[in-house]
Amino acid sequence: QKEVEQDPGPLSVPEGAIVSLNCTYSNSAFQYFMWYRQYSRKGPELLMYTYSSGNKEDGRFTAQVDKSSKYISLFIRDSQPSDSATYLCAMSARSSGSARQLTFGSGTQLTVLP
Amino acid sequence: DVKVTQSSRYLVKRTGEKVFLECVQDMDHENMFWYRQDPGLGLRLIYFSYDVKMKEKGDIPEGYSVSREKKERFSLILESASTNQTSMYLCASSFGTPSFTSPRSEQFFGPGTRLTVL
Repeated sequence: QKEVEQDPGPLSVPEGAIVSLNCTYSNSAFQYFMWYRQYSRKGPELLMYTYSSGNKEDGRFTAQVDKSSKYISLFIRDSQPSDSATYLCAMSARSSGSARQLTFGSGTQLTVLP
Repeated sequence: DVKVTQSSRYLVKRTGEKVFLECVQDMDHENMFWYRQDPGLGLRLIYFSYDVKMKEKGDIPEGYSVSREKKERFSLILESASTNQTSMYLCASSFGTPSFTSPRSEQFFGPGTRLTVL
């Protein structure tokens, strides 16, 4: 079983829809959670980061962490065609040795149709 | 802005050739990483380095080696390229060791090198 599970999709939605992307994880030591966006043939870019449980909002994007359920989400409101990309979740533990490393989900491919 | 650059966007090599992939970051980051990304398999860590001349194996180091002679530069070497090493190679860098008061550990990625081995 992978430490981080992410539905690969593909997910296709109409423009303006609310998108929900999710990851589950098994390692209770994970404390720091990130979402990356990767456009086709480009490197991933950091979109959102959160520390421990709770919500964080940035414009149309909201990241949510539920540590009790080991579940994280990224919500995209009023989705746009420019949001079409692969979204990867990533997380790290807080112990000094492994905290440098990130564990990634496999990514969800999202297409927003105009 | 953090900038991570990779020496080539596209590379085509033949089986058995020695291949060098170069990565440079300009933010004085301590940590640097090499991943490969394949459809359905996600990002897999090949090697990482947290200091000059230091290296640690990742999940799939076989067939690869690395070199970090300067803090800003991290090289990935394929000693004898094989067709199963055809992939997208991504370099990343990050700040030092996360701590309780400063837990951030996000990595910044380069644009990637798409390597094809014929």
